[in-house]
Amino acid sequence: GESVGLHLPTLSVQEGDNSIINCAYSNSASDYFIWYKQESGKGPQFIIDIRSNMDKRQGQRVTVLLNKTVKHLSLQIAATQPGDSAVYFCGDTSGTYKYIFGTGTRLKVLA
Amino acid sequence: KAGVTQTPRYLIKTRGQQVTLSCSPISGHRSVSWYQQTPGQGLQFLFEYFSETQRNKGNFPGRFSGRQFSNSRSEMNVSTLELGDSALYLCASSPDPGPNTEAFFGQGTRLTVV
Repeated sequence: GESVGLHLPTLSVQEGDNSIINCAYSNSASDYFIWYKQESGKGPQFIIDIRSNMDKRQGQRVTVLLNKTVKHLSLQIAATQPGDSAVYFCGDTSGTYKYIFGTGTRLKVLA
Repeated sequence: KAGVTQTPRYLIKTRGQQVTLSCSPISGHRSVSWYQQTPGQGLQFLFEYFSETQRNKGNFPGRFSGRQFSNSRSEMNVSTLELGDSALYLCASSPDPGPNTEAFFGQGTRLTVV
């Protein structure tokens, strides 16, 4: 699989543009999905969640889309700002563990 | 309301030693989970505690253990440290156990094993 750090998938976006961060999950039984943002030197912070009975959920400048058919999740950030630069993790639950997280995507906002 | 507090923030240990990390959850939160974050493996679930009982455990060797006290504070212990145990250890608290609730993370303890 992909690695965090030097090998972390990176998305570079121009300030003001929209960002789309993608995530695939493997457990078709997962019924709850969550996105976290981790800035350098800090612990992950909750962004938004979505349950499996929904396809879309909107927050402040963020939208999460869930496609259960292809087991795909995406996080859309509108009008990306420099403060959005961070590593973004998606997580799902298998009913056994609290969360299973992906390795993360680094978002770089270009001025 | 104070957030999740982890101590210490940084720790350097020698191979073969053991280490204990501490986590104080948000007041009123009764569930505490621990994660290991490394460049190679990302965020990996270690275990979850609720009411002083371990509810779930991730795929880690028995050298990794934890406990929770009656005030919901939690500790995790790693014995016989290996170089590969170097990582950021994150604690997260939730009001209730189970997967369908938001978890609030602390800033983590950075463990370096030399």
